[in-house]
Amino acid sequence: DTGVSQDPRHKITKRGQNVTFRCDPISEHNRLYWYRQTLGQGPEFLTYFQNEAQLEKSRLLSDRFSAERPKGSFSTLEIQRTEQGDSAMYLCASSLGGPSFTEAFFGQGTRLTVV
Amino acid sequence: DQQVKQNSPSLSVQEGRISILNCDYTNSMFDYFLWYKKYPAEGPTFLISISSIKDKNEDGRFTVFLNKSAKHLSLHIVPSQPGDSAVYFCAASRRNSGNTPLVFGKGTRLSVIA
Repeated sequence: DTGVSQDPRHKITKRGQNVTFRCDPISEHNRLYWYRQTLGQGPEFLTYFQNEAQLEKSRLLSDRFSAERPKGSFSTLEIQRTEQGDSAMYLCASSLGGPSFTEAFFGQGTRLTVV
Repeated sequence: DQQVKQNSPSLSVQEGRISILNCDYTNSMFDYFLWYKKYPAEGPTFLISISSIKDKNEDGRFTVFLNKSAKHLSLHIVPSQPGDSAVYFCAASRRNSGNTPLVFGKGTRLSVIA
C-alpha cells in the first residue's frame, strides 16, 4: 500500500460547473477525513467518515458540498455550482480510529482552481 | 475563532543551530497534539506527537514540549538541517472524546540556511 491517493492532482473548472474528487485511503484505515487548505492557512476540517458513516460535517461544508464513502473504502467529494471562493487545495487523510488509534496520513491533495 | 495558533509565520535558522517552533491553543479539552511537516505540492506528513499526560516527547532530532498550564507547545529541531526547510503545522485533537478530527494552526515556514 503506497499511502493515501487522491485524484485528480489538479483541476481547473469554470464557475458554475460541478467537480468531483476521489480519495483512496490506506486500506486498513477505517477513518477518512476531508480538509481544505487555502493560501496562508492551515488545513481546515470539512468532514469525516468512520467506515461508511459520515460522523461530522463542518459549518464550512455548505449545501453545495457533498461527500460519500460507499462501502467504507474510497471517498468522493463533490462541489456543485463551483464559486471562485472554492479555489483551494482539498486534502484527504485516513487513520485508524478506536483503540488502535493512529495518526492521520494525508494524500498529496487536489488543487482546485475556479475561473 | 482560531483554537490553535502559530503566531510566527516564518523562521530562519542557520544550519546546525536549534529551531524552535511555537504553538498555542485555547481549547482546554484538547489532549493530544501533533506536528506535521509540509513540503510544496505535497500533503502534510506526520512528524511527532505528544499526549497531554506528558510534558516532553523526543524522536531523534525532534523534541516536542508541552506546557498545559500555559496551553503552549513547542517543537525543537536540533541540529537543524537544510532538508528541514518546510512549513510546520501544529495540530490538536480530543483523543479521549473519540479521537476528534485534527484542528490545525496556520503554520510556520522554516528556512534552514546552509
